Amino acid sequence: GAGVSQSPSNKVTEKGKDVELRCDPISGHTALYWYRQSLGQGLEFLIYFQGNSAPDKSGLPSDRFSAERTGGSVSTLTIQRTQQEDSAVYLCASSLMGGTGELFFGEGSRLTVL
Amino acid sequence: GQNIDQPTEMTATEGAIVQINCTYQTSGFNGLFWYQQHAGEAPTFLSYNVLDGLEEKGRFSSFLSRSKGYSYLLLKELQMKDSASYLCAPYNTDKLIFGTGTRLQVFP
Repeated sequence: GAGVSQSPSNKVTEKGKDVELRCDPISGHTALYWYRQSLGQGLEFLIYFQGNSAPDKSGLPSDRFSAERTGGSVSTLTIQRTQQEDSAVYLCASSLMGGTGELFFGEGSRLTVL
Repeated sequence: GQNIDQPTEMTATEGAIVQINCTYQTSGFNGLFWYQQHAGEAPTFLSYNVLDGLEEKGRFSSFLSRSKGYSYLLLKELQMKDSASYLCAPYNTDKLIFGTGTRLQVFP
């Protein structure tokens, strides 16, 4: 597709389970971001991938969160042992280049932890 | 580190002009974005300022003062569809960090 694709669009899970969220960026975009947005709140930076450089993980809230980007394209955000406070919309965005490129956002994955 | 400050909420009347301010402190500043986000939707790009001054794009304009760490978004001839959150996002070194956003409500 032409835009950033995220799956699943909605995920309901039980506390303590692991979840994986997937992001397929726009083809050719070297930069990829993950953000988290709780209800009525702003975007919280989680992690940033730029080309083959080591990712900037400074926004990950705990060691239960991890992300990888395979082959410089698709990215997976994994949350282990989910907690209720992890409930939020997880947004992925990509840009043609880091530093100055406009970000294009996916529609997000809404995670609900019961 | 970074610190971004913008008002939480604003209200305005259809047809009016509104200015949304943003102050920021970041390291390695490369430019500043404004994004619009309607409820339940993903953010969409509005403007990007690198140099000081005003960038005008239709009903929306964005201003930047790098020395003051200050930007504003100016919305003219407000329409009901402009009711949304407006997110200020300065580049911190090489990654984009968003403020908490300003929720604008436009009333008839």
